[in-house]
Amino acid sequence: EDQVTQSPEALRLQEGESSSLNCSYTVSGLRGLFWYRQDPGKGPEFLFTLYSAGEEKEKERLKATLTKKESFLHITAPKPEDSATYLCAVQGLRDKLIFGTGTRLQVFP
Amino acid sequence: GAGVSQSPRYKVAKRGQDVALRCDPISGHVSLFWYQQALGQGPEFLTYFQNEAQLDKSGLPSDRFFAERPEGSVSTLKIQRTQQEDSAVYLCASSKFPQGASNQPQHFGDGTRLSIL
Repeated sequence: EDQVTQSPEALRLQEGESSSLNCSYTVSGLRGLFWYRQDPGKGPEFLFTLYSAGEEKEKERLKATLTKKESFLHITAPKPEDSATYLCAVQGLRDKLIFGTGTRLQVFP
Repeated sequence: GAGVSQSPRYKVAKRGQDVALRCDPISGHVSLFWYQQALGQGPEFLTYFQNEAQLDKSGLPSDRFFAERPEGSVSTLKIQRTQQEDSAVYLCASSKFPQGASNQPQHFGDGTRLSIL
């Protein structure tokens, strides 16, 4: 059964304090791993797609990496506006997205 | 419009009432998805349309849930005889190409928050 586990559930950081979010997955035939950001009362906002182990993508203070079993979202020198829930999802052979429960990030000034 | 639009944003209904939730996908997007998101959880897949064809409805929790996309654009999710456990945020997403043809990301609307009293 396709499954996604995200850790930690919640993370509190001081502004400028870098850290990483983890997404562990099991999927039959990975077609893509997706990272989304979700603000309260809003829908998920697409950040990255990763397709194969070893791939990396960057956007501003965010960098996503992928191995055969997990993905990391690295946040470098975060700012308060980076506070949000970060969702990881995998797409396997059945095409539907399977989401994790997310990591709730709070960045304090 | 520029993004996926959903209406209403909030819906309160009494247990047993029927509700209809609307999704307007990004213009020209072939694929449309419905998800259910409970508080503190990630979205869970409900159903998938490719144009007007409903190709996957494996995530619909019961036969009280029904979705349609008759002209291949706007979609409606209908819930009959609502129950308290139906309370959740219902998200709609669209993507440009058919699933399986590419790994285009899904773009989400802001959802409808449904509360059943």
